[in-house]
Amino acid sequence: GNSVTQMEGPVTLSEEAFLTINCTYTATGYPSLFWYVQYPGEGLQLLLKATKADDKGSNKGFEATYRKETTSFHLEKGSVQVSDSAVYFCALSDLRGSTLGRLYFGRGTQLTVWP
Amino acid sequence: NAGVTQTPKFRVLKTGQSMTLLCAQDMNHEYMYWYRQDPGMGLRLIHYSVGEGTTAKGEVPDGYNVSRLKKQNFLLGLESAAPSQTSVYFCASSPGRRGEQFFGPGTRLTVL
Repeated sequence: GNSVTQMEGPVTLSEEAFLTINCTYTATGYPSLFWYVQYPGEGLQLLLKATKADDKGSNKGFEATYRKETTSFHLEKGSVQVSDSAVYFCALSDLRGSTLGRLYFGRGTQLTVWP
Repeated sequence: NAGVTQTPKFRVLKTGQSMTLLCAQDMNHEYMYWYRQDPGMGLRLIHYSVGEGTTAKGEVPDGYNVSRLKKQNFLLGLESAAPSQTSVYFCASSPGRRGEQFFGPGTRLTVL
């Protein structure tokens, strides 16, 4: 079946530190992979995505590379800011069969950045 | 263009009461989804719809019903609320199964 595992939080960093949030997946087909971000009191927003192996998604200084050989999609940012404090969700969408575009989410990783 | 809106934002129910959560989108999207978010559980799909007049069960459908009478609206009903339904509920919409999902701001429901 389809599932996503991401690193447990919370993650606490100082401003300008390097960020990595690990995400690995299991899928029956050839999934698309996503990172969503949820700021306090808000709904989820798409941060970046990758639709095939070796694709790199990037947005707002965040990057993630779709690694089929390690079934991973780790989120990275070279220098975090206080405004990056949020919950980050890794997700996959497997269009094979009758999944109809549903997203399978990881449990979320809380990131707190201190000035 | 409001995107995806949800009403109400907060609600407290007593066990056994009923209520309906409304989701509306103004992007002409075909697909709509209801998720619940619980601490440490990520988001789990309750029900979804691939077009007006159609609905289907997701991962955790028990205790919920849905309707999609109009393309822009997707209603989630709780006929007899239980404390286990205390959660944050998110609605999302998508132009198709390959499209990005757009999320509403959520409804925080507490069942006492």
